[in-house]
Amino acid sequence: DVKVTQSSRYLVKRTGEKVFLECVQDMDHENMFWYRQDPGLGLRLIYFSYDVKMKEKGDIPEGYSVSREKKERFSLILESASTNQTSMYLCASRTGTQPQHFGDGTRLSIL
Amino acid sequence: KNEVEQSPQNLTAQEGEFITINCSYSVGISALHWLQQHPGGGIVSLFMLSSGKKKHGRLIATINIQEKHSSLHITASHPRDSAVYICAVPGGNKLVFGAGTILRVKS
Repeated sequence: DVKVTQSSRYLVKRTGEKVFLECVQDMDHENMFWYRQDPGLGLRLIYFSYDVKMKEKGDIPEGYSVSREKKERFSLILESASTNQTSMYLCASRTGTQPQHFGDGTRLSIL
Repeated sequence: KNEVEQSPQNLTAQEGEFITINCSYSVGISALHWLQQHPGGGIVSLFMLSSGKKKHGRLIATINIQEKHSSLHITASHPRDSAVYICAVPGGNKLVFGAGTILRVKS
């Protein structure tokens, strides 16, 4: 069974900090995704990656960057955290056109 | 860009009731996904379907490609079905998600 692991379930950071959210998948999937989920807005795509060192902006990339140095790991970086980045962050991976497999999410609070 | 609309946004049902959640999309697709998210939990893929009907236990998903519409049905609902149900359709390399339906089943 595919396992997508996010490094933290809950995270509290301060405004202005640099924040790293890590995601690891164990099924050699080429595609990986970062979403944020907010009440009433549903899931919104921040960035995705279709191969190592490749990345594409999603719908809301502002204030975020990503890194994919190895196929199994996709990191989301908040360069200078702000309170409007308080949200649930979900990572997903997939191969080809198969369904995405999601991690359990990281609930991030920026104070 | 594909627009995805789900209805209802919120749904409260009594245990045992038959439940229907609807999803409409604006652009023709190859397949549609139904996802489930329990409170505080991650997201699980329930179905991916491109035509007709699929069944898994008490869950049934149908799709009408011509009408660009899909429904998710839950028979004999149970409190453990309480979750957010999300439909999603392909948009290029990405998925486009509906806003989700929050289902609460009371015992």
